[in-house]
Amino acid sequence: DTGVSQDPRHKITKRGQNVTFRCDPISEHNRLYWYRQTLGQGPEFLTYFQNEAQLEKSRLLSDRFSAERPKGSFSTLEIQRTEQGDSAMYLCASSGNRGLVTEAFFGQGTRLTVV
Amino acid sequence: AQSVTQPDIHITVSEGASLELRCNYSYGATPYLFWYVQSPGQGLQLLLKYFSGDTLVQGIKGFEAEFKRSQSSFNLRKPSVHWSDAAEYFCAVGDPGGYQKVTFGTGTKLQVIP
Repeated sequence: DTGVSQDPRHKITKRGQNVTFRCDPISEHNRLYWYRQTLGQGPEFLTYFQNEAQLEKSRLLSDRFSAERPKGSFSTLEIQRTEQGDSAMYLCASSGNRGLVTEAFFGQGTRLTVV
Repeated sequence: AQSVTQPDIHITVSEGASLELRCNYSYGATPYLFWYVQSPGQGLQLLLKYFSGDTLVQGIKGFEAEFKRSQSSFNLRKPSVHWSDAAEYFCAVGDPGGYQKVTFGTGTKLQVIP
């Protein structure tokens, strides 16, 4: 098991373009989270999946953002019509649900720069 | 709603000196508590966690943290800092009744000087 994997690691895009990020969680984990981290801040929760079901979305996730986890394995986060304010590190995490006590394991993130 | 406060934005310590990073949380009951470390441009690595039981928890890289319910605190300590400890440290609180979504503090950036 290589941990949580995110692709790409870096993305530079022009304002107005669409971008898509991918996250591959730890294989036996059924819970998957997306967070966004801007410079000088801690990560902020965006959305949560249990298996393929998206169970919570933060108000930070505007209509331009959509996340999917079609088969309960990998997940994608798409941002449409990117804006400069979308520039941030996008972090994916996964956790298991054996019992109630577990912690999230994070990927290395995708750094998005909108120019 | 749960929240985390890390009052120190930036801390500088000499190599070999002791370290304490402060963390206060707000939560209605006993939360799950975490400390994560982030090196520049990297993801988050879990240092240690508290779920229940012994209030002094040991983590990786020689770190420990103590949960103090009366002070709503979960401070991180290390007796002797190494230059490789320079990084940003995040305290986080999780909801035991939920699905382990965590709320992070704003982080403390640690600088280690020779």
